[in-house]
Amino acid sequence: GAVVSQHPSWVICKSGTSVKIECRSLDFQATTMFWYRQFPKQSLMLMATSNEGSKATYEQGVEKDKFLINHASLTLSTLTVTSAHPEDSSFYICSARLGPHSTSGAGYTFGSGTRLTVV
Amino acid sequence: AQKITQTQPGMFVQEKEAVTLDCTYDTSDQSYGLFWYKQPSSGEMIFLIYQGSYDEQNATEGRYSLNFQKARKSANLVISASQLGDSAMYFCAMREPYSGNTPLVFGKGTRLSVIA
Repeated sequence: GAVVSQHPSWVICKSGTSVKIECRSLDFQATTMFWYRQFPKQSLMLMATSNEGSKATYEQGVEKDKFLINHASLTLSTLTVTSAHPEDSSFYICSARLGPHSTSGAGYTFGSGTRLTVV
Repeated sequence: AQKITQTQPGMFVQEKEAVTLDCTYDTSDQSYGLFWYKQPSSGEMIFLIYQGSYDEQNATEGRYSLNFQKARKSANLVISASQLGDSAMYFCAMREPYSGNTPLVFGKGTRLSVIA
């Protein structure tokens, strides 16, 4: 249980275009979704926290106009990288906070990640 | 200041041997949670083990155990009887405070290589 389906797994796009990454909770309602970015051989860095029905909270240094997060329903959160550039190439992964009674993953579950390459 | 410190960028271990991956943390909260994840080359985050700050006993999950030393603020992962499939990146993470919708904060990770 507590599966988050993340798509696409990988994407290559041209510089200047936009890319949308979806995270869908399959068997639970994801009130809160966290979005992380991971550069090669580095750690996961939190980009933003999104709560269903409200604006996302972005971490310092993350451009909210560039990384648009939408969490319009309890089962879907999306991250859109707008006007992507080569420096945006990275591994993006979402994580959902599970309910207080969930023991799965000690309360957190992760999508499988999206490898974005901007050429 | 770094919340989670993993001082070992890389570790090697012989197959069937035990290995300890170090993790120290920094928090002023009394209530927090500590996690370990395995990340293979595919990128997925595989949950291994969890320790709550109020848990008196060290957590164990199969071949994984967490050596929790609260006074020293350390939460080392011990993998017993290493297998070739254990080769991966390992991340220590923390959630503080214990309740609420707070994100996990990750350390820089340790790359474990198991040698046949």
